[in-house]
Amino acid sequence: GAGVSQSPSNKVTEKGKDVELRCDPISGHTALYWYRQSLGQGLEFLIYFQGNSAPDKSGLPSDRFSAERTGGSVSTLTIQRTQQEDSAVYLCASSPPGTGDSYEQYFGPGTRLTVT
Amino acid sequence: DQQVKQNSPSLSVQEGRISILNCDYTNSMFDYFLWYKKYPAEGPTFLISISSIKDKNEDGRFTVFLNKSAKHLSLHIVPSQPGDSAVYFCAASVSFGNEKLTFGTGTRLTIIP
Repeated sequence: GAGVSQSPSNKVTEKGKDVELRCDPISGHTALYWYRQSLGQGLEFLIYFQGNSAPDKSGLPSDRFSAERTGGSVSTLTIQRTQQEDSAVYLCASSPPGTGDSYEQYFGPGTRLTVT
Repeated sequence: DQQVKQNSPSLSVQEGRISILNCDYTNSMFDYFLWYKKYPAEGPTFLISISSIKDKNEDGRFTVFLNKSAKHLSLHIVPSQPGDSAVYFCAASVSFGNEKLTFGTGTRLTIIP
């Protein structure tokens, strides 16, 4: 079946502009996560949605970052007034309801954001 | 504060030999651990996981070992194959189930034919 998809795959924007990154999770997956990977770094957690619960926003680096998930499916990560340090690969992941004794998150290919 | 550490940024192994990737963590609340593999321009793909109630989990050529007292885990790949060349990330979660993952910085594994 279809995996997690993200759009756009690449985005170049000027400093100070707003950007929106989109994530389509795997159908039926209740949890959705956003991470980012800066150059030479590991993946950094940003935000987590689980069903209808309030999202865990503890990883958002500043109030310029926000995300929403509409209808329990598609999610949009918005970065306002972009800065050069926002340049990174933004990865979305989804996971099914926890079952059994194993658990994994399925990642999309990412959006490479470059702020000039 | 890097709670999950992969101290070897790179590793080269001869094809057919064993690859051992290491990971250390500092947060004693972590109770679920995963290994992901990442090729360039792709998202990470899940390899294998282990919960804190176990000390070993095996899946084909991949085995993960967990030493809770040392807060250390390792991934063994045997025999190593050229297609295993990728960046490997260790990740940890404080709760079993749907929760945020804390990742290490990755180890780039190169398999030499």
